[in-house]
Amino acid sequence: ETGVTQTPRHLVMGMTNKKSLKCEQHLGHNAMYWYKQSAKKPLELMFVYNFKEQTENNSVPSRFSPECPNSSHLFLHLHTLQPEDSALYLCASSQGLAGSGYVEQFFGPGTRLTVL
Amino acid sequence: DQQVKQNSPSLSVQEGRISILNCDYTNSMFDYFLWYKKYPAEGPTFLISISSIKDKNEDGRFTVFLNKSAKHLSLHIVPSQPGDSAVYFCAAVTGGGADGLTFGKGTHLIIQP
Repeated sequence: ETGVTQTPRHLVMGMTNKKSLKCEQHLGHNAMYWYKQSAKKPLELMFVYNFKEQTENNSVPSRFSPECPNSSHLFLHLHTLQPEDSALYLCASSQGLAGSGYVEQFFGPGTRLTVL
Repeated sequence: DQQVKQNSPSLSVQEGRISILNCDYTNSMFDYFLWYKKYPAEGPTFLISISSIKDKNEDGRFTVFLNKSAKHLSLHIVPSQPGDSAVYFCAAVTGGGADGLTFGKGTHLIIQP
C-alpha cells in the first residue's frame, strides 16, 4: 500500500449504531487530519493530530471521537450520528504542521458515510 | 462565513486553450495558498502552492498568481488537456494557526475536445 488509505470506502449506518472509520498513511508523516465534505459545502477541518497528540478540534460534536494510536494510524469513532452527518470524510497527512513549513497535505480517497 | 471563495462552480474550456480558475480570500493572515485537483471517487491531490511573499509560481503547465492587495489568486493551465477535467479546490493555511487547510467549494473544470 502506498500513500494514504481509508477504510471502509462506503458506510451506511443507523442513528443508534457505533462505527469507526480508519485511516493509515504509508508516507512516514507525523501529522494527520480529518476533514468533512458535506454536499455543496467546502471541505471542513475536523481534527488535527501531530505526533499522536491532538492539536486542533474544530468545534466538532462529541458524537465524533478521534483516536490516533501512532503517527501512521488515525480513527474516527462514530456514535449516535444524525442524518445531517452524512458526508464524505477525508483523512490527510503531512510531514509536519504548517507552522514548521509543511503546508502540503496528502489525502486519502475518503469514506462516503450515509446515516439513515 | 467563508474565508476562501471560488465563485465559479464550473468552467468549460476547449482543449489546447488556457484555463483560468479564480479564488478570493478574506483572511489576510493566510501564509500559503494551494491548489488541489480531485477526480470522482478519489481524494484531492496537490497541484501547486504559493507563499504569500511571492506573486507567481510556475510548475510545467500550471502557474499560480497571487495578488495580495486584492486578496485574489488564480490558477492558469496552459495548454488545457482532456485529463485536466476535474474539480479544482483552492485552499489556504496560516503558518502559525490551526494548521488545517481552509478550502473553497471548488470549480468543476471541463475540457472540451
